[in-house]
Amino acid sequence: GNSVTQMEGPVTLSEEAFLTINCTYTATGYPSLFWYVQYPGEGLQLLLKATKADDKGSNKGFEATYRKETTSFHLEKGSVQVSDSAVYFCALSEGGATNKLIFGTGTLLAVQP
Amino acid sequence: EPEVTQTPSHQVTQMGQEVILRCVPISNHLYFYWYRQILGQKVEFLVSFYNNEISEKSEIFDDQFSVERPDGSNFTLKIRSTKLEDSAMYFCASRTGGRTGELFFGEGSRLTVL
Repeated sequence: GNSVTQMEGPVTLSEEAFLTINCTYTATGYPSLFWYVQYPGEGLQLLLKATKADDKGSNKGFEATYRKETTSFHLEKGSVQVSDSAVYFCALSEGGATNKLIFGTGTLLAVQP
Repeated sequence: EPEVTQTPSHQVTQMGQEVILRCVPISNHLYFYWYRQILGQKVEFLVSFYNNEISEKSEIFDDQFSVERPDGSNFTLKIRSTKLEDSAMYFCASRTGGRTGELFFGEGSRLTVL
């Protein structure tokens, strides 16, 4: 079945460092891809999404490009801030009537000042 | 900004007891979901609900689980006889229609079964 694999955490970076969180997927058809973020004590929030191959999703300085050839959707940010400390979830949507999300395990990012 | 709200934020219960987790989805949304996350594990799909019926459920969603939309605003998840392994964070989500409609999540209800 469809699945998402993302890099293990925690990832610890200093402020202004470059961030990459890897995400690869297995899917039949053409899923939509998402990154959700969970800040401490809060629910899951959509960070960015891409609905077809070569699309780039971006928000708050974060970017991810839908790469069909490598089945990847890696999250990047050029300069992280302490306020970016959170758990990041990669997910895919199968479409169809239900359009449910399938999540990766989440990656904890800790940014130190 | 409209949001999905969940209650309670944390519930502690004894094994074998019934638990009801409540959610108020965003008012114009049509699709409703429950997910759970056992500590340290991935977020797992439980069930989706549309047009007053279950549209899909996972293997986790066995006969001990049920969902209901009793009054057009609330969306509840009931666990009839809780087990230790039901301890998890339960997330409610909702979305509008459309193939790529974003899911909006609540803050979660943490269930601890003793």
